[in-house]
Parts: sequence; structure tokens; C-alpha cells
Amino acid sequence: DVKVTQSSRYLVKRTGEKVFLECVQDMDHENMFWYRQDPGLGLRLIYFSYDVKMKEKGDIPEGYSVSREKKERFSLILESASTNQTSMYLCASSLSRTGGTYGYTFGSGTRLTVV
Amino acid sequence: GNSVTQMEGPVTLSEEAFLTINCTYTATGYPSLFWYVQYPGEGLQLLLKATKADDKGSNKGFEATYRKETTSFHLEKGSVQVSDSAVYFCALNLPTGGGNKLTFGTGTQLKVEL
Repeated sequence: DVKVTQSSRYLVKRTGEKVFLECVQDMDHENMFWYRQDPGLGLRLIYFSYDVKMKEKGDIPEGYSVSREKKERFSLILESASTNQTSMYLCASSLSRTGGTYGYTFGSGTRLTVV
Repeated sequence: GNSVTQMEGPVTLSEEAFLTINCTYTATGYPSLFWYVQYPGEGLQLLLKATKADDKGSNKGFEATYRKETTSFHLEKGSVQVSDSAVYFCALNLPTGGGNKLTFGTGTQLKVEL
């Protein structure tokens, strides 16, 4: 089975800190995604990547950046954490660039609290 | 743009009751459709999918049929169990020049009681 591993299940950070959320997948997937999940809002796409060193903005990129130096790793960076970034963060990967018939494999999520 | 609309939750049912969670979509073209499930404290897992009109996806007793004429993909299960308590997300995927981004609904929480 494909595994998507997020490095932390729970994180507590202070306002203004630079925060790194790490995600690793082990099945050579081209595509990787970062979402945040908030009650009543569902999943919102922050950034995604189709290849190494490639990134594209999703629906809510403000306050975030990403890094993909290796195919298996996709990092989400909160440049200066704020309390409104308290959320559940979900990483996902998928195999196919086109076709649309493949779903995603998700990690278990990182619940980030900014105090 | 593409969008997915799900029924509001929470849905509360007794064990062995019949489940329907409604999902309708708006999309230009012919999307693939998915249902994901999220158990408490976990990430999302793919439950079932359908890639063309009239396809039926099924898994773990859950079913959903891709209805192009009504742009719907309703999730059903004949007899729910307490272990089915989770949040269910409907999603669509349209292949574009930029790849296969999923568009999700807001999720429907299901609570099954004894």
C-alpha cells in the first residue's frame, strides 16, 4: 500500500514562529498536495506540486510556502505563524498527472495549534 | 468553476438503519467522482469511486452510482454500524492541463447509535 507519512500528529507553536510541516510518500507519486481542514469549510487546497522543484498555488496560499527538493518529500512552510493558521493540515499524493481516474492517498494529518 | 455540494450534517442514525448522503456536483466536462471517509483523528481514506456515467462504485457495503442526468453521486448503505461513524466527503476530479486536482464537498458527519 502507498503510504503518506506526516512527521507530526500534533504541534503547538507560538505566534511569529516559522513552522515546517513535512510529508513523505513512498510510492514514487508525481503529485503531492497540502490541504487544511476546518469545521464547516471542508478541505481547502493550499499548494500542490506535480514534480520536483515545481509548485503551484491552490485556493488559499497566503501565509504559506512549499518546498519539493525530492520527489518523495513535500514540505509546507508557515513563514510567520498566526493564530488563524490553527487547523488540521492534510498531505496527499497521487500517481497520475492526467486522466482524472485516480484518487489521492492521504496522510494522517497534523493538528497545528498556534498560541 | 467546479463544485461539490453535500447534505448538511450531522446525520444521526440507529444501527442497522438505511443511509443516504446526498452529493451533487457542477462541472464542465466529464469528471471522475469519489467518496472519501475520515474516521476520528485520522486522514481521509478513499471509500469508492466511479469514472463514467452509470458506473457504480462499491466498497464495505457502501454504494454510489454516477448519475450524469441529475449530476449526482449519492452514497448509500443498507444497514449501518456504529463503526461507520465518521465524516464522509464527496469529491470530483476533472483532468485539466495542470493535472488532477480534487474538488471536495464540505463533508457530512455520520453518527450511528446503538
